[in-house]
Amino acid sequence: GDSVTQMEGPVTLSEEAFLTINCTYTATGYPSLFWYVQYPGEGLQLLLKATKADDKGSNKGFEATYRKETTSFHLEKGSVQVSDSAVYFCALRAQGGSEKLVFGKGTKLTVNP
Amino acid sequence: ETGVTQTPRHLVMGMTNKKSLKCEQHLGHNAMYWYKQSAKKPLELMFVYNFKEQTENNSVPSRFSPECPNSSHLFLHLHTLQPEDSALYLCASSSLSHTEAFFGQGTRLTVV
Repeated sequence: GDSVTQMEGPVTLSEEAFLTINCTYTATGYPSLFWYVQYPGEGLQLLLKATKADDKGSNKGFEATYRKETTSFHLEKGSVQVSDSAVYFCALRAQGGSEKLVFGKGTKLTVNP
Repeated sequence: ETGVTQTPRHLVMGMTNKKSLKCEQHLGHNAMYWYKQSAKKPLELMFVYNFKEQTENNSVPSRFSPECPNSSHLFLHLHTLQPEDSALYLCASSSLSHTEAFFGQGTRLTVV
């Protein structure tokens, strides 16, 4: 079945450091790919998405590129801020409009001043 | 404002109580979901409804009973819960025209 594997956390960085959170997936065809963010005490918010190969999703300085050849969708940010401290989830939705979203286990990021 | 509203935000209940969680979306979506998020565990999909019909039940114990009276409202009825059911319960919705799901802020449930 479809699955998402993302790097284990927690990840701790200093402010202005470069961030990468790895995400790889297993799915047939061309799923849609997402990064969600969850701030403490809140629900999940969509951070960015990509719906076809080589698409780059971007938002709030975060970027991720849909790489079909490596089945990856790694999240990057060039300079993190304390306010980026949160849990980040990689997810996919199968090709063909399946209503089911498959999530990774989440990666907790802490950014220190 | 995410467009998906969950009430209550916090709930404490005893193991013999009966309570309900409510979810409402005003986004015109046709699919609604219940997820369970426990500490140190992955996000668990519980139920999926599509056009008011249940399309997925992920082996959820019968002490959790979902209800979807229309495409805008979703309930989760709770009875005789166990302490290990304490978790953040998240509702989400999506549509066929958008690939992403939109989440509510969740209900933090504590079973004592």
